Amino acid sequence: DAGVTQSPTHLIKTRGQQVTLRCSPKSGHDTVSWYQQALGQGPQFIFQYYEEEERQRGNFPDRFSGHQFPNYSSELNVNALLLGDSALYLCASSRVEGHTDTQYFGPGTRLTVL
Amino acid sequence: GDSVTQMEGPVTLSEEAFLTINCTYTATGYPSLFWYVQYPGEGLQLLLKATKADDKGSNKGFEATYRKETTSFHLEKGSVQVSDSAVYFCAGRSTGKLIFGQGTTLQVKP
Repeated sequence: DAGVTQSPTHLIKTRGQQVTLRCSPKSGHDTVSWYQQALGQGPQFIFQYYEEEERQRGNFPDRFSGHQFPNYSSELNVNALLLGDSALYLCASSRVEGHTDTQYFGPGTRLTVL
Repeated sequence: GDSVTQMEGPVTLSEEAFLTINCTYTATGYPSLFWYVQYPGEGLQLLLKATKADDKGSNKGFEATYRKETTSFHLEKGSVQVSDSAVYFCAGRSTGKLIFGQGTTLQVKP
């Protein structure tokens, strides 16, 4: 059973460019969440997708947008990249089980903005 | 808003020593609580969880008990190994999203 997968593993961009990161959830999961982890910090919630709609959003600007496809996979798009966007971007998938859901993380995409 | 506070690291221990990493949370309700571990260059792995007060999560020799009275979820292990060296994150979830602490680096020396 494949876990959460993300692509690409690493990415280097320059300021002002746009980037798209991809995530495939764990088999049987229908919800995808995205997090940004700056170096030496805990992950910060960006947004969560369920049934192809953004269900919840953290404190991130509109430059950060996403999409979820019918097969539950997801993309994170960041426009007008800033140096401060350099971070590890983590995708987590989950499936609601009763009143709880446990999020399982992928290996992340390391984005470097020069 | 909700928040999670962990003890600052790094924590350096000798092999077979006892480990405690403190974690406290602030939330309007009673969130589910988690410990995740991150090895160098990797994503987060779920270590254990507890969904209600007095629940004890355990995995690979690690334990944590959900204490409602002290709003705590301290991570413990009786005898650490070199392979336990990693960054440990405490997290709470009450409204769908996970709120993480800042992480505690554990280094175990042989």
